[in-house]
Amino acid sequence: ETGVTQSPTHLIKTRGQQVTLRCSSQSGHNTVSWYQQALGQGPQFIFQYYREEENGRGNFPPRFSGLQFPNYSSELNVNALELDDSALYLCASSPRPESEAFFGQGTRLTVV
Amino acid sequence: GNSVTQMEGPVTLSEEAFLTINCTYTATGYPSLFWYVQYPGEGLQLLLKATKADDKGSNKGFEATYRKETTSFHLEKGSVQVSDSAVYFCASVNAGGTSYGKLTFGQGTILTVHP
Repeated sequence: ETGVTQSPTHLIKTRGQQVTLRCSSQSGHNTVSWYQQALGQGPQFIFQYYREEENGRGNFPPRFSGLQFPNYSSELNVNALELDDSALYLCASSPRPESEAFFGQGTRLTVV
Repeated sequence: GNSVTQMEGPVTLSEEAFLTINCTYTATGYPSLFWYVQYPGEGLQLLLKATKADDKGSNKGFEATYRKETTSFHLEKGSVQVSDSAVYFCASVNAGGTSYGKLTFGQGTILTVHP
């Protein structure tokens, strides 16, 4: 059984640029959630996709957007990058929106 | 919405000591509760879970009991090992309402175990 995989693992971008992060969900899971984890903090919920529809969103501006594909993989897009966007971005998949989530290794984004 | 509060850290113990990390939650309805562990440079791993009151989750010697009356889900281990050194996160998720599907995490507790 393949777990949750994220790409890339590390990324350096310049302020104002755009970035796309990718996530493959675990086999059999139709729900994908994205979290932002700043250094020394707990993960913060960005949004969740369930069967290709957005199923909830946290307190993040519209420049954070996402997509879920028919195979339930997902993308997180961030436009107009700011220095404060530097963080570990975690993708998690689950069999249902309310069940336990299984996390990928994360993408470390650095904005300079 | 939900909130989760963990005990202030960090926690430093000697090998074979008893571990308790406190966690309390606020939620509308009856959330499912989880403990996740994060090793340096890695993502989060699910350690254990409980989905209803009085459930006990357990894994790798760790235990936590869902206490509705005290809204708590404290993590315990009878004898810690050096390899348990990591950051531990308590989390909750609702099956409905405004926090449906949204994992809410505590701030994390850094555990360091010395030989």
